[in-house]
Amino acid sequence: KNEVEQSPQNLTAQEGEFITINCSYSVGISALHWLQQHPGGGIVSLFMLSSGKKKHGRLIATINIQEKHSSLHITASHPRDSAVYICAVRWGSKETSGSRLTFGEGTQLTVNP
Amino acid sequence: DGGITQSPKYLFRKEGQNVTLSCEQNLNHDAMYWYRQDPGQGLRLIYYSQIVNDFQKGDIAEGYSVSREKKESFPLTVTSAQKNPTAFYLCASSMYSRGWPQHFGDGTRLSIL
Repeated sequence: KNEVEQSPQNLTAQEGEFITINCSYSVGISALHWLQQHPGGGIVSLFMLSSGKKKHGRLIATINIQEKHSSLHITASHPRDSAVYICAVRWGSKETSGSRLTFGEGTQLTVNP
Repeated sequence: DGGITQSPKYLFRKEGQNVTLSCEQNLNHDAMYWYRQDPGQGLRLIYYSQIVNDFQKGDIAEGYSVSREKKESFPLTVTSAQKNPTAFYLCASSMYSRGWPQHFGDGTRLSIL
């Protein structure tokens, strides 16, 4: 079974700092997903990656398939970025159902003003 | 706006009682999922449904039951057989039956009195 490890578990930053959250997995995957969980509990999808890099606003996600590693970067961090960031990997073929997902434990990010 | 509605946000259950968590979506998505989230653990899949009148067990289905009589509704019942029901429960949906969760609800926090 695929294992997903996120680091760090907790991260505190000052406003404006560059943030990096890491995700490593143990077996080949078809795609990787970054999610953001707000303090109230709701989850929002940020990115889905199968290779390379994606950017949306101040958020950048990269994946290295050979290294089995992905990073989520936040540039010019802001207190409103404070949330739990969750990595999820989809293993098996692209035709596999959404049941084949393994989630990381999440990284709690706190950005102080 | 389209989305997933989970209700209630907070739910309390007495020992030995069954309780049903509601999940409704107006996205016209085929697939729906129920996850459980515990502190220090990644989300774990309880049940999923790829189409109306069909559902499959996830990784931790024991003590839970579901139904999918309508496309937009996927209620989860936590039965008295679930020995440790206190957790945060998230419902999700995906457009295609073999997609993976694209939209999440805001969750229901269940506690035992």
